[in-house]
Amino acid sequence: NAGVMQNPRHLVRRRGQEARLRCSPMKGHSHVYWYRQLPEEGLKFMVYLQKENIIDESGMPKERFSAEFPKEGPSILRIQQVVRGDSAAYFCASSLSQEETQYFGPGTRLLVL
Amino acid sequence: AQKITQTQPGMFVQEKEAVTLDCTYDTSDPSYGLFWYKQPSSGEMIFLIYQGSYDQQNATEGRYSLNFQKARKSANLVISASQLGDSAMYFCAMREVGSGNQFYFGTGTSLTVIP
Repeated sequence: NAGVMQNPRHLVRRRGQEARLRCSPMKGHSHVYWYRQLPEEGLKFMVYLQKENIIDESGMPKERFSAEFPKEGPSILRIQQVVRGDSAAYFCASSLSQEETQYFGPGTRLLVL
Repeated sequence: AQKITQTQPGMFVQEKEAVTLDCTYDTSDPSYGLFWYKQPSSGEMIFLIYQGSYDQQNATEGRYSLNFQKARKSANLVISASQLGDSAMYFCAMREVGSGNQFYFGTGTSLTVIP
């Protein structure tokens, strides 16, 4: 039973480009969460999605960031016009339901040059 | 105020000895969950142990146990018989049922096991 999959594992972008991060939840999980980890810090919640719906986006920056979890396919975290401050590790987690434990993917390390 | 506080940036422990990693939390929600995750140098986040706010007994998972003191709002992780592979960052996290089930993470403790 595969765990949470994230790709790419590493992503390098120049300032102003777009970054697309993908997350495939564990089989049977329909709840997906995105977190950001800045160097030397803990994870910070960004957004919580359930199939086709954004449930809580209180941790998402108001501009340039968006997330989706379509009916078919992985969840996508999209960062437009990246800046150096977006450099971080982005983790996706999934759970069976709201109340269940969240299991994390290996993360995508974004470096903005 | 910080939801999760981990006051030990770095800890050292001798192989085969036990070590306690501290975690305190702040919530007014009567229903919450406490979690510990391990992040080795490879970067992935590995779930270790869970304690629910209504659980009467401390959670245990193999060599991991959670010392849950509700009145003091602490949820310390105890690792017994440390192994070299336990060297990693350890994060304490909390989920408040009343706030959409997002996780709040502490800043982590870096544990180094000395042979």
